[in-house]
Amino acid sequence: DGGITQSPKYLFRKEGQNVTLSCEQNLNHDAMYWYRQDPGQGLRLIYYSQIVNDFQKGDIAEGYSVSREKKESFPLTVTSAQKNPTAFYLCASSIVDTGYTFGSGTRLTVV
Amino acid sequence: GENVEQHPSTLSVQEGDSAVIKCTYSDSASNYFPWYKQELGKGPQLIIDIRSNVGEKKDQRIAVTLNKTAKHFSLHITETQPEDSAVYFCAAYTTGGGSQGNLIFGKGTKLSVKP
Repeated sequence: DGGITQSPKYLFRKEGQNVTLSCEQNLNHDAMYWYRQDPGQGLRLIYYSQIVNDFQKGDIAEGYSVSREKKESFPLTVTSAQKNPTAFYLCASSIVDTGYTFGSGTRLTVV
Repeated sequence: GENVEQHPSTLSVQEGDSAVIKCTYSDSASNYFPWYKQELGKGPQLIIDIRSNVGEKKDQRIAVTLNKTAKHFSLHITETQPEDSAVYFCAAYTTGGGSQGNLIFGKGTKLSVKP
């Protein structure tokens, strides 16, 4: 079955540590996105990529980095510069002018 | 850039009643409007969508209406059931502004259906 897979489901980060969240899709979608969701809040766009080897900052890119070396993969790194990283992270993919398919999310907690 | 306002932020209905969630958008060029349902701890799932050349679309108990002149669209759920309880997000596809060619989401509506 085609879909979008995020891993891990739960992730714990120590202060000052970088962590990488994985997002893989086998839908042959060109565009991929990363969102952050805080409790009871909406979706805030971190980064997006509409084509391989190209990506743009979203509304809250500071403290995050991404790469898009393959069409299927769009990993997100939460760096130590992100001072409040505890949140639910959602990855999505789409083709142009259509709805997004979301992954099941990664819950990141700072310990 | 595009801005999407969603109301209400919370909605509580009795099982069997109808629920209506409304969204307004600012970019008159927006041409695609999906609705998502997010259950606790899960990713949002597309439940229905509408394009700007259509005024209404229905799928069983859910329907979406679009008024392009007023730039608003609504989600209607009839005969609500407890399993409809979730957070619902509206979105509008924008082709310009800071996030060119992306969906802009509303802030969500938490729907509670009481048995």
